Amino acid sequence: NAGVMQNPRHLVRRRGQEARLRCSPMKGHSHVYWYRQLPEEGLKFMVYLQKENIIDESGMPKERFSAEFPKEGPSILRIQQVVRGDSAAYFCASSPRGQASTNEKLFFGSGTQLSVL
Amino acid sequence: DQQVKQNSPSLSVQEGRISILNCDYTNSMFDYFLWYKKYPAEGPTFLISISSIKDKNEDGRFTVFLNKSAKHLSLHIVPSQPGDSAVYFCAASGDSNYQLIWGAGTKLIIKP
Repeated sequence: NAGVMQNPRHLVRRRGQEARLRCSPMKGHSHVYWYRQLPEEGLKFMVYLQKENIIDESGMPKERFSAEFPKEGPSILRIQQVVRGDSAAYFCASSPRGQASTNEKLFFGSGTQLSVL
Repeated sequence: DQQVKQNSPSLSVQEGRISILNCDYTNSMFDYFLWYKKYPAEGPTFLISISSIKDKNEDGRFTVFLNKSAKHLSLHIVPSQPGDSAVYFCAASGDSNYQLIWGAGTKLIIKP
């Protein structure tokens, strides 16, 4: 299956620990997007990356959150010193051409459910 | 401030009948609207979209209607099938395809 792969599917962390969420885009896609979904809410954009570049991080909190998409390997969303409010489903999406067109469809992974105890 | 609202958290429809899911938005700058479908434990899957220059777009059993004056769009599924049971998200965009503003979703249940 060459779809967007996210791992882990479920991640449990205690307050103050670090959470690392990984995303491998679809084959041939070089644009990755991270979204967060809180319970009973829609998805909210966090960050848009191309290989080795952050294009738009306007939706990501300035503190404790960081994202990268290295030349080799998956994209990583990192949350330091997690708090209970970070508990959510984190979805990654990818596309082949990025912001080339508003018709560009996004392909989503199955998400990582982060639970902070 | 919810710019995209799906006021029905859930909807139950008999198999074979029409399902109508509604979505309202407040920002008149939105010019592209999308519907995504999501099964449990999976990510959202693109279903259908419509540009603000149109008022209708059809793809098989799925039709999206856009009423710009009312800032309202709806998704019609006919005939509804059991596999259509899922959560449906309405999303809108202004000048980017990724900074979508999402509604909270409507859970559609198709009864046999």
